[in-house]
Amino acid sequence: KQEVTQIPAALSVPEGENLVLNCSFTDSAIYNLQWFRQDPGKGLTSLLLIQSSQREQTSGRLNASLDKSSGRSTLYIAASQPGDSATYLCATITGTYKYIFGTGTRLKVLA
Amino acid sequence: NAGVTQTPKFQVLKTGQSMTLQCAQDMNHEYMSWYRQDPGMGLRLIHYSVGAGITDQGEVPNGYNVSRSTTEDFPLRLLSAAPSQTSVYFCASTPGQTNTGELFFGEGSRLTVL
Repeated sequence: KQEVTQIPAALSVPEGENLVLNCSFTDSAIYNLQWFRQDPGKGLTSLLLIQSSQREQTSGRLNASLDKSSGRSTLYIAASQPGDSATYLCATITGTYKYIFGTGTRLKVLA
Repeated sequence: NAGVTQTPKFQVLKTGQSMTLQCAQDMNHEYMSWYRQDPGMGLRLIHYSVGAGITDQGEVPNGYNVSRSTTEDFPLRLLSAAPSQTSVYFCASTPGQTNTGELFFGEGSRLTVL
């Protein structure tokens, strides 16, 4: 059974710092992996989706990588800003319509 | 495009009352689903649908009913609300099987059962 883990559960960094969020999964037979952002009291917003044939995807200051063999994905945020403060979740897409979510990393960027 | 729209955003019920959470998407997505999100529990799948007329149970279906009469709408019904159903509910959708599986979420419905 697929398990998705995100460590640390919470992270505080000063503004301007580059940071890496981690997502680990136990079953490497995934189709794709998706990263989300969730602001307090809001829904999940899709940030990046990495297909199994890709190693990374970039969007602005965000870069997500995928290493299926090691069961790991990372979300790199460059030059962090207070507006990046949110909870970041990853989800593996395994089989048809099978989504397994991590419990998220709560990020706080200090001004 | 409005994307995935959920109503109501907030609701307070008394134990034993029934209600329906509405979810609509205007992206012609085949797959629609309902999750609940509780502190420390993450997102848990309640019910899902892979097309009009087709529904199936997820991880925590007890106490909830769904139907899918159209591609656009996927309402979630609480038949007799219990305090354990106090949660934030999210509807999500994705295009058909040949797509990437990218999931799109609504803004959520916060339900309190007294």
